[in-house]
Amino acid sequence: NAGVTQTPKFQVLKTGQSMTLQCAQDMNHNSMYWYRQDPGMGLRLIYYSASEGTTDKGEVPNGYNVSRLNKREFSLRLESAAPSQTSVYFCASSGHQNTEAFFGQGTRLTVV
Amino acid sequence: DAKTTQPPSMDCAEGRAANLPCNHSTISGNEYVYWYRQIHSQGPQYIIHGLKNNETNEMASLIITEDRKSSTLILPHATLRDTAVYYCIVRTGKEGGKLIFGQGTELSVKP
Repeated sequence: NAGVTQTPKFQVLKTGQSMTLQCAQDMNHNSMYWYRQDPGMGLRLIYYSASEGTTDKGEVPNGYNVSRLNKREFSLRLESAAPSQTSVYFCASSGHQNTEAFFGQGTRLTVV
Repeated sequence: DAKTTQPPSMDCAEGRAANLPCNHSTISGNEYVYWYRQIHSQGPQYIIHGLKNNETNEMASLIITEDRKSSTLILPHATLRDTAVYYCIVRTGKEGGKLIFGQGTELSVKP
């Protein structure tokens, strides 16, 4: 049981490049989330998907887009990367009401 | 979503109980209190959650005041491996309820 898997684990981008961060969960969870964590800070919610077919903005959605491809997969896209998007990105998933969320191990993104 | 307030840092001696406080004075009736921790830069790890009753599992105990405006996470016998940032989060019980992280408490367990 892999839980929440994020790819890639590390990435370096040049300013203006685009990329997609992938997240997949094998726990049949309905809800999925994307967070970013800057050095010395707590996690901030970028986007979330309460169920397949729905997505909503979180605290810091600007500069990002998401796709809930199916129940298992939730991707995060940076259309034109900026140095301010240098961060560690975490994906999470949770099941039905009143259950805990499980987190992936993160993607460390550097934009130069 | 209700906000939480935690002390930025705490120390605890190895083998002693670590008591981490959290204030959530604006919590509403359908919101649960969740605790997570993050070791180094790993993904956050779930510890425990509760609505209004005290809860205990193999990792910790959660004490919620009767008015639900504050709670305390208790690690009964802290070890060096418990050194981490601990986050107290208030979350609705409905499906897809958001987890909004604050700054957390950096707990240092010292020999």
